[in-house]
Amino acid sequence: DIQMTQSPSSLSASVGDRVTITCRASRDISNYLAWFQQKPGKAPKSLIYAASSLQSGVPSRFSGSRSGTDFTLTIGSLQPEDFATYYCLRYNSFPPTFGGGTKVEIK
Amino acid sequence: EVQLVESGGGLVQPGGSLRLSCAASGFTFSDYWMHWVRQVPGKGLVWVSRINSDGSTTTYVDSVKGRFTISRDNAKNTLSLQMNSLRAEDTAIYYCARAPVGTLVFVDYWGQGTLVTVSS
Repeated sequence: DIQMTQSPSSLSASVGDRVTITCRASRDISNYLAWFQQKPGKAPKSLIYAASSLQSGVPSRFSGSRSGTDFTLTIGSLQPEDFATYYCLRYNSFPPTFGGGTKVEIK
Repeated sequence: EVQLVESGGGLVQPGGSLRLSCAASGFTFSDYWMHWVRQVPGKGLVWVSRINSDGSTTTYVDSVKGRFTISRDNAKNTLSLQMNSLRAEDTAIYYCARAPVGTLVFVDYWGQGTLVTVSS
């Protein structure tokens, strides 16, 4: 199976900061990469699909990019409601696999 | 408004069975593929199973093959997951999620989850 290595596992940031989270695939997955946000006790929320396409209704401060097998989720200006855990998911083949998650905490 | 509401979770002994349901509303259920994803509380997400829009194609993660069965009733807008021979490692919150067809979106909407606890 293709492995997804997500980093960092956690980070501390302040409101207004630019935050970057990375997922690296062990092999080429083309653009089949999604990002999800999960708050404590809540279901995941879909943010980005196909590496860089924003899900409907998601604020434009969220963006995704790809460089080879490296994928990045960027939060342009961190807002109080963005403190959560973020997961990547590769879905080029089955079974799809999630990254280990990145917990974004308040500094 | 799209709504996915899971039910059927609970405490079950190892080796036992449980049937989860996901009631869908606010969209044409039969137009979408559906997935089950699980999460051990406090841990990461794991994809479990998927079913196509008419129920003719199903896929499972290796760890549940032969024990879990995904199905759907498009007339009742309901997705199901029959879980047999349950093990302690199946303890998790189970989420259903909607998958648009013909797009690059994997899933767009998620249910709130239902907790399954396998313990004696």
